[in-house]
Amino acid sequence: LAKTTQPISMDSYEGQEVNITCSHNNIATNDYITWYQQFPSQGPRFIIQGYKTKVTNEVASLFIPADRKSSTLSLPRVSLSDTAVYYCLVGDKWAGSYQLTFGKGTKLSVIP
Amino acid sequence: DGGITQSPKYLFRKEGQNVTLSCEQNLNHDAMYWYRQDPGQGLRLIYYSQIVNDFQKGDIAEGYSVSREKKESFPLTVTSAQKNPTAFYLCASQGSSYEQYFGPGTRLTVT
Repeated sequence: LAKTTQPISMDSYEGQEVNITCSHNNIATNDYITWYQQFPSQGPRFIIQGYKTKVTNEVASLFIPADRKSSTLSLPRVSLSDTAVYYCLVGDKWAGSYQLTFGKGTKLSVIP
Repeated sequence: DGGITQSPKYLFRKEGQNVTLSCEQNLNHDAMYWYRQDPGQGLRLIYYSQIVNDFQKGDIAEGYSVSREKKESFPLTVTSAQKNPTAFYLCASQGSSYEQYFGPGTRLTVT
């Protein structure tokens, strides 16, 4: 499974756009990139998933450069409720046993 | 109301006792997972099941056991052989696009 590296923590003011970058230098051809959000004492929540270029949904955007060795989760105009831990995961979702390796994630603190 | 339920939310046990954590889903998902989370850490995979009556060990299966007799249910037993059982336990099921849906978790404290 590809290893990922993310910043341990980030701070942002309300209303700003936040970009969290994840490094995955040994990503394999079949690997997809998935981001999850976790609030304290709750289970993680799926945010977005992508393979290459850009993916956007109602919550976030995911930017993946051509070499796919990194990805950036973009949260537009964050609010206090976006304070959470964000996990970047990489894995082959077409494998017979799809397993996710959750690192420590990035703790995002949104400041009023 | 579809989703994954885990019960109980908090569980207290004495050292040396086995304890079973419940996980139920009504999403009609085939694959289900159990994770453990320690304070300030990410999730670690304990067991997973791709289909009824089949399950595989994850990274930290020692001291745990599971069963998958029904598609909807994937209970986890924390045995007395687990050396550090106090943790937050999360169950998940996997959707058609391979995203995982997590339950609310069970916080187990063993003293």
